[in-house]
Amino acid sequence: NAGVMQNPRHLVRRRGQEARLRCSPMKGHSHVYWYRQLPEEGLKFMVYLQKENIIDESGMPKERFSAEFPKEGPSILRIQQVVRGDSAAYFCASSPRRESYEQYFGPGTRLTVT
Amino acid sequence: DQQVKQNSPSLSVQEGRISILNCDYTNSMFDYFLWYKKYPAEGPTFLISISSIKDKNEDGRFTVFLNKSAKHLSLHIVPSQPGDSAVYFCAASALHAGNMLTFGGGTRLMVKP
Repeated sequence: NAGVMQNPRHLVRRRGQEARLRCSPMKGHSHVYWYRQLPEEGLKFMVYLQKENIIDESGMPKERFSAEFPKEGPSILRIQQVVRGDSAAYFCASSPRRESYEQYFGPGTRLTVT
Repeated sequence: DQQVKQNSPSLSVQEGRISILNCDYTNSMFDYFLWYKKYPAEGPTFLISISSIKDKNEDGRFTVFLNKSAKHLSLHIVPSQPGDSAVYFCAASALHAGNMLTFGGGTRLMVKP
């Protein structure tokens, strides 16, 4: 299965801890997008990355959130000092080229902050 | 500031009938529109899309219509099947903005046998 992979699927963190979410794009895809879905809402764009570059982080909260997509390995979304309001489903999507409109989503990571 | 809106949170139809899901947008810079289907605890699955230079795109039971002057698009599913029951998200994209997707809030479709 060469689909987008995300892990972990479920993550429970206590307030103040760090959450680290991983995303491996589809084979051949070098563009990664992260989205967040709060309960009963649509998905909201967070950040767009290419290998070793952050292209657009206009949807990322200014503090505590960071993302990277290293030359080797998965893309990582890191949330430091989590708060209850960070509880959400975090989805990663990938596409093969910047000009490609279709994005293919992973199964998501459901973060619960207790 | 919701640039993409799906005003119907839910829709119930009988199996075999047509399902029509609607979506409105405000940003005239959007040049591509997509529909995604989502089951609980899964990621969105791409369904069908349409470029702003077209007014209709058809794929099997699914047809998307785009009315640029009204900034409105709709997804038609005919005939509807119980397996179509899911949440449907409309999304819009603009190439110049990096192709990030702007999603509507979703419509939950229930197809009754």
